[in-house]
Amino acid sequence: DAGITQSPRHKVTETGTPVTLRCHQTENHRYMYWYRQDPGHGLRLIHYSYGVKDTDKGEVSDGYSVSRSKTEDFLLTLESATSSQTSVYFCAISEPGRGGNEQFFGPGTRLTVL
Amino acid sequence: EDQVTQSPEALRLQEGESSSLNCSYTVSGLRGLFWYRQDPGKGPEFLFTLYSAGEEKEKERLKATLTKKESFLHITAPKPEDSATYLCAVQAPGAIGGYQKVTFGTGTKLQVIP
Repeated sequence: DAGITQSPRHKVTETGTPVTLRCHQTENHRYMYWYRQDPGHGLRLIHYSYGVKDTDKGEVSDGYSVSRSKTEDFLLTLESATSSQTSVYFCAISEPGRGGNEQFFGPGTRLTVL
Repeated sequence: EDQVTQSPEALRLQEGESSSLNCSYTVSGLRGLFWYRQDPGKGPEFLFTLYSAGEEKEKERLKATLTKKESFLHITAPKPEDSATYLCAVQAPGAIGGYQKVTFGTGTKLQVIP
């Protein structure tokens, strides 16, 4: 298994509260990603990072922010959680080269916003 | 816009009954096509990368093939432990060593019955 951990693994919170999810890698990969997975939508990219303090938006970034202060850690913050952000969140890592951009995924965080 | 369509959505097989999963894609300049396996409650697990039409890759009972418009994941003599959701994803062109967008399909849920 790729050395990727996510915390917490499960969280229940209330609408309007801030939530931070953490992704930690031990592979020293340059790229890190946050996805959400919902039935019927597949995996959708929220934000990604291509280095310390270097981040960019994905296709569903509204309501989310990220930070990466160390190579190994990538944080996803929901500033004010809404019920539409109830989902399973996956972190992924990759080291793009001249070949493919294979991404390796963490175990996921199941977030419920009541 | 890049698109990935997987079929069927669900497939139920008897143990030993071979079959194929389909992944149809639309992307300008495919850089790579990926197959992942996802077990319930876990993150996607990388299986294969295919780069060009005609390429094939095998792993145990799985063989992935690629044409210019679709990819197939052939499962030969499946066992119950092959039960999972299989995801397909395509990589669009981007800067070498830089971010290259990956678009995921919604998956095929495979159930293999003893």
